[in-house]
Amino acid sequence: KNEVEQSPQNLTAQEGEFITINCSYSVGISALHWLQQHPGGGIVSLFMLSSGKKKHGRLIATINIQEKHSSLHITASHPRDSAVYICAVGSGNQFYFGTGTSLTVIP
Amino acid sequence: SAVISQKPSRDICQRGTSLTIQCQVDSQVTMMFWYRQQPGQSLTLIATANQGSEATYESGFVIDKFPISRPNLTFSTLTVSNMSPEDSSIYLCSVIPGQGVYEQYFGPGTRLTVT
Repeated sequence: KNEVEQSPQNLTAQEGEFITINCSYSVGISALHWLQQHPGGGIVSLFMLSSGKKKHGRLIATINIQEKHSSLHITASHPRDSAVYICAVGSGNQFYFGTGTSLTVIP
Repeated sequence: SAVISQKPSRDICQRGTSLTIQCQVDSQVTMMFWYRQQPGQSLTLIATANQGSEATYESGFVIDKFPISRPNLTFSTLTVSNMSPEDSSIYLCSVIPGQGVYEQYFGPGTRLTVT
């Protein structure tokens, strides 16, 4: 069993839809990261959070420490949001990565 | 924060050859890591690049295959040696800027194809 599980694996949405990607983890957490990977391979860190909720533009990330669960929400989705979204959990000096959610937003 | 560059961004190599990937950070950082992402898979940690000493390798990765250098606090190289098609992956450098800081920054990646 993976330490970090993401769902769904693949997601297709129409432009403008509200999107939610889920992440569950089983390890003790220092911080949880949401990462975005575009087709070229480069990874951008979207959020690092250890409690509560963070918002950046149309992106919102929440975490529930008791339930060991985090969600990434995208409001008013746009084709440029198409990417792979990866949940990563920092536990001490170890990082555990989910397998990613491939999002395609259709115009 | 930290800005990371990698060279090359992509390469196509022949079986049996070696490729050295460079990672440059715009500031001194404590911890640097090398990851591999095979097609359709998540990231797998290859090793932690230690400044001034040998890298610390994860299970399944060995120095002979993936020699790593880290001559200073802003630069590291990863060599993929004696390549085979199974080494075709994206190789990513990442850093954690300071002690006790859990924010991790990633380089743009090197897409390697071995034919």
